[in-house]
Amino acid sequence: GDSVTQMEGPVTLSEEAFLTINCTYTATGYPSLFWYVQYPGEGLQLLLKATKADDKGSNKGFEATYRKETTSFHLEKGSVQVSDSAVYFCALSSGGSYIPTFGRGTSLIVHP
Amino acid sequence: AAGVIQSPRHLIKEKRETATLKCYPIPRHDTVYWYQQGPGQDPQFLISFYEKMQSDKGSIPDRFSAQQFSDYHSELNMSSLELGDSALYFCASSAPRAGGSGANVLTFGAGSRLTVL
Repeated sequence: GDSVTQMEGPVTLSEEAFLTINCTYTATGYPSLFWYVQYPGEGLQLLLKATKADDKGSNKGFEATYRKETTSFHLEKGSVQVSDSAVYFCALSSGGSYIPTFGRGTSLIVHP
Repeated sequence: AAGVIQSPRHLIKEKRETATLKCYPIPRHDTVYWYQQGPGQDPQFLISFYEKMQSDKGSIPDRFSAQQFSDYHSELNMSSLELGDSALYFCASSAPRAGGSGANVLTFGAGSRLTVL
């Protein structure tokens, strides 16, 4: 079945550091790929998405490129802020039901 | 803008008791989803409803049931609670997709944290 694997956290960075959170997936067909973010005490929010190979999703300085050849969708940001501290979930949806499958989430902690 | 509303936010129950979680989706969203996230685990899909009919079923235990009402709110009923049911339960909703295609984007509620003692 479909699955998503994320790097384990927590990822701890200083403000303005470069961020990469790795995500790889296994799916049949051609899934859509997503990054969701969960701030403390809130629900998951869509951060960005990509629906086909080589698409780049971007939002709030975050980017991820749909790499079919490596089945990856790594999340990057050039300069993180304290306010980016949250849990980040990689997800995919494929097939007729379009029910998203999530990874375990990666906690990001950014220090001033 | 209105979001997905879940209640209660926190719930403490004893083993073998019953619990009910409620979810109010975004207006005009036609699909509601329930997910369970145990400590350090992925959110696991439980069940979904499309236009008040069950549309997909995931890893929902037989002790759990859910339904969607005429006003589109949904309830997750959990009986004979076990310690392992302690988790964060998310509800999400999604808007109709034009032509049934395109990426399915979910909007999540803040979750209901169930603790079973």
